[in-house]
Amino acid sequence: SAVISQKPSRDICQRGTSLTIQCQVDSQVTMMFWYRQQPGQSLTLIATANQGSEATYESGFVIDKFPISRPNLTFSTLTVSNMSPEDSSIYLCSVAQGIAVGYTFGSGTRLTVV
Amino acid sequence: QQQVKQSPQSLIVQKGGISIINCAYENTAFDYFPWYQQFPGKGPALLIAIRPDVSEKKEGRFTISFNKSAKQFSLHIMDSQPGDSATYFCAAPSAGSARQLTFGSGTQLTVLP
Repeated sequence: SAVISQKPSRDICQRGTSLTIQCQVDSQVTMMFWYRQQPGQSLTLIATANQGSEATYESGFVIDKFPISRPNLTFSTLTVSNMSPEDSSIYLCSVAQGIAVGYTFGSGTRLTVV
Repeated sequence: QQQVKQSPQSLIVQKGGISIINCAYENTAFDYFPWYQQFPGKGPALLIAIRPDVSEKKEGRFTISFNKSAKQFSLHIMDSQPGDSATYFCAAPSAGSARQLTFGSGTQLTVLP
């Protein structure tokens, strides 16, 4: 399965600032996703990162708040903009390599907004 | 929109016992039902997955049982060990065409030594 490198692993940010999270995959993958996991909670899909086009956002998530880039088949970024303490969560990158291989997750970025 | 209901929320078993976690789903665009294991501070790791051309899949001490007519699937951990203590998530594909996964709410498993 794909190996995902996600950076940074954690950060503490000031309210009102932005943080960009990077997701690098060791092989080309068709599908990349960004999830949020609030403390003690399950995983919620933010958006599907589409290569060469705008990301597809889930209900409750908007591009202005969570802009996503995907310039090629191995890399994507998620920016958390104008942060507030409510954005404190773990943000996870995930890739799908087909049903036979499954969906793989990065180790996540633990974000704390103060 | 897909909903996945997972139970129990928490589970405590003795070492050597059987841990059973259940999930129910609504609709799915394709048949692929994975279970993920997550340790504190780590991302979810794929534990085992089933494609329901079979009703059961076993890998070591971990077994998925699937009931397509009831839209339910479960994870059985045989001979549970303290090292199995983690949070377990089931997932099911969303009903749309974009192939996302929808996750259950998670089960925090504690295996007592």
